[in-house]
Order: sequence, then C-alpha cells, then structure tokens
Amino acid sequence: DGGITQSPKYLFRKEGQNVTLSCEQNLNHDAMYWYRQDPGQGLRLIYYSQIVNDFQKGDIAEGYSVSREKKESFPLTVTSAQKNPTAFYLCASSGPITISTNEKLFFGSGTQLSVL
Amino acid sequence: AQSVTQLDSHVSVSEGTPVLLRCNYSSSYSPSLFWYVQHPNKGLQLLLKYTSAATLVKGINGFEAEFKKSETSFHLTKPSAHMSDAAEYFCVVSQVNDYKLSFGAGTTVTVRA
Repeated sequence: DGGITQSPKYLFRKEGQNVTLSCEQNLNHDAMYWYRQDPGQGLRLIYYSQIVNDFQKGDIAEGYSVSREKKESFPLTVTSAQKNPTAFYLCASSGPITISTNEKLFFGSGTQLSVL
Repeated sequence: AQSVTQLDSHVSVSEGTPVLLRCNYSSSYSPSLFWYVQHPNKGLQLLLKYTSAATLVKGINGFEAEFKKSETSFHLTKPSAHMSDAAEYFCVVSQVNDYKLSFGAGTTVTVRA
C-alpha cells in the first residue's frame, strides 16, 4: 500500500547533539512538508519542498535543516541550535502540481522527539 | 497573510448529542479550508474540505461544515456524536496555489457514554 513512513517513532536527543528524522513516501508526490506539533499550538510548518533539490523555509525553520535529494525522501535534521526540540514531528506529502496543489495532504504517523 | 482561530480548546459531549467545533479564519484572498482529525497515536486524516464550491461541505463519518464568508467562519458539526469521534480536530486554511497551510491550535473532543 502507498503511504508515508516516518522513523523512528520515538527519538531521544542529548544536549548539543544533532538528530535526523526520516520521512519516506511511495505515493509519487511532488511536495513534502515537515510540521511540528506542540500542545495547544496546532501544527507549525518547519520546511517544505515542492520538487527534488529545492526546499523553502516555513514559519519556524530556525534550528532545523532538510534535504531533498530524492523524490521519495525528505529527512529533517534537528540541530543543536534548536533550543526547544521536544515536540511531535509530522511529515506530510501532497500530489502532483495542479491548480489546487493543496487539495489533500497525506500524513505520516509522526516522531516524538524528547531531550534527555 | 492567513490564520485560523479555533474557539474551543476542549469540547465534551454525550454520545448521541450534536457536536459543534468552531473555527474562524482570516485570509487575504479566497481561502481553501479543511478540517483534519487526529485520533490518539494515529496520523492526521482529512475530514472535509472547502475550495470555493458549495458552501455546505459534507465529509466522512457524518461530519459537515458550512463556509460563511460574512462571518469568516467554517464551523464543523455532526448531528449525533459517537464514541469513536473522541479525537483532536484541526481547522486549516490555505490559499489556492500556495503550499503553506495554517493550522488552528486544535480542539479536543471527548464523548461521554
């Protein structure tokens, strides 16, 4: 079945450490996104990518980095510069570029990141 | 610029009674509006969407929402709540041709037996 796979489900980070969250999709979607979910704040956009080798900052990109070397993959690195990384991270993708490219997002099951 | 305000952080209803989740939005242009549901330990699922067609939108699981431009609202309703409706609900706004979505803070729905 087609879908989005995020791994790991739970991740722990030590102070000063960079960690990478994986997101893979087999839906042949052009666009991929990373959102951060904090209690009472809804989802906030970190980065998004419309095509391979291109990505844009979202609303809270500081302390994060991404790459889009393959259409299927959009890994997110939480760097040591992110001072409050504890959150639930959701990856999403959406279909081929059309007039209504925001028609429907497909979400992964998420990664819970905690700081030790 | 665009933003979403979900007016209730928590809604509690009895099984079999109506559910109302309130959402107000602001958008510089004609918006696209969505409601997503997130069940515990599961990913987000699209309930319904409004993209400038009919103002009353029907979604899955008996939910519907009405787009009211004059009130800048997109409230979600269901006539009769079921125990399986207990979840977190997000109202989302975007603009056509824009990849950026703005999510509300979420409304937690609990259903009493």
